Amino acid sequence: DGGITQSPKYLFRKEGQNVTLSCEQNLNHDAMYWYRQDPGQGLRLIYYSQIVNDFQKGDIAEGYSVSREKKESFPLTVTSAQKNPTAFYLCASSNRDRGASTEAFFGQGTRLTVV
Amino acid sequence: RKEVEQDPGPFNVPEGATVAFNCTYSNSASQSFFWYRQDCRKEPKLLMSVYSSGNEDGRFTAQLNRASQYISLLIRDSKLSDSATYLCAVNSLDSWGKLQFGAGTQVVVTP
Repeated sequence: DGGITQSPKYLFRKEGQNVTLSCEQNLNHDAMYWYRQDPGQGLRLIYYSQIVNDFQKGDIAEGYSVSREKKESFPLTVTSAQKNPTAFYLCASSNRDRGASTEAFFGQGTRLTVV
Repeated sequence: RKEVEQDPGPFNVPEGATVAFNCTYSNSASQSFFWYRQDCRKEPKLLMSVYSSGNEDGRFTAQLNRASQYISLLIRDSKLSDSATYLCAVNSLDSWGKLQFGAGTQVVVTP
């Protein structure tokens, strides 16, 4: 089955630690995204990538880093510089059609909690 | 000003009634528009794409108004199962890989 897989589903981090969230897609999509969602809030864009070996900062990139070494993979590292990392993290992917993005498909998300 | 804005609601709707709400966008180069549904603590799922001519899928109708830069979603004959948060998403040609979401509109359908 084609789709997006995020892991782990739940993640606990001690303060001062870096953690990496995994996102893999087998949809052959060019673009991949990371969003953060806080309780009762919408999706805020952290980073996005339109092509392998290239990525762009979104609206809230500070304290996060990404890589896009393979088309199917877009891991997100939450660094110790991110002061309030507890949130629901969503990865998505989409393709390009006539110059614009097609609909995005989402993984099931990772709930990160700082303990 | 946010690139994509939605009325957060909640819209409290009696079962069987019609509800409609909008999503405004600021970038006039926006080209792709989508409505997503998100249930509590779940990932968003595509409800429908929004085409220039408008489109309908069962009880759901989406419209695009380019002149005023907004999209709308109308739900007819509301069901209890329609209770959710509805997110709009917008993409522009000048940055096709940047898909921006609104904060969502909460709909609560009551018996």
